[in-house]
Amino acid sequence: GENVEQHPSTLSVQEGDSAVIKCTYSDSASNYFPWYKQELGKGPQLIIDIRSNVGEKKDQRIAVTLNKTAKHFSLHITETQPEDSAVYFCAAGASDYKLSFGAGTTVTVRA
Amino acid sequence: SAVISQKPSRDICQRGTSLTIQCQVDSQVTMMFWYRQQPGQSLTLIATANQGSEATYESGFVIDKFPISRPNLTFSTLTVSNMSPEDSSIYLCSVPGRVNTEAFFGQGTRLTVV
Repeated sequence: GENVEQHPSTLSVQEGDSAVIKCTYSDSASNYFPWYKQELGKGPQLIIDIRSNVGEKKDQRIAVTLNKTAKHFSLHITETQPEDSAVYFCAAGASDYKLSFGAGTTVTVRA
Repeated sequence: SAVISQKPSRDICQRGTSLTIQCQVDSQVTMMFWYRQQPGQSLTLIATANQGSEATYESGFVIDKFPISRPNLTFSTLTVSNMSPEDSSIYLCSVPGRVNTEAFFGQGTRLTVV
């Protein structure tokens, strides 16, 4: 099955700086790579996703890049704000809607 | 995105008992998924709930422990049976979005077994 590795496990950044989270996957059949943000006591919220026919996607302060040859993808958050503090999960999936998740990254934005 | 409601939002249960978690979606969906998130860990898929057929379980999860119902296209239940403290987790319902493979989650049910 699919194996998704995510790092770092924790990330502390100064407000206004950028945060980068990296993930690798093992199954070349995976073609969908979403990122979720989970705040305390809440379910994961989809914040951005990318599909295998696209190398980069941006939505305001967040962007995701995908290198399908190397089987890795990354989340970039620019101009971080305190409300960006949360646990972020990467995931990989194929056409069956099943997702394999990374272990998560706890992001803390210091004011 | 779909609006997904889970009940209960949290519960504290005695070991040996069972808890049924409900998931209601505001639109019809062909597939619903149940995930488990153990404390401080990532999400693991338990099973896929299909309307009109038995659920499909992932490796390590069995129907006797996690029976699932899917009576219609907007509702599903997951039962955690004969609970032990190791079952203490957040259980999450997920449904596909309208576009391809995206998936959306409910707020989860936080279960504590004592």
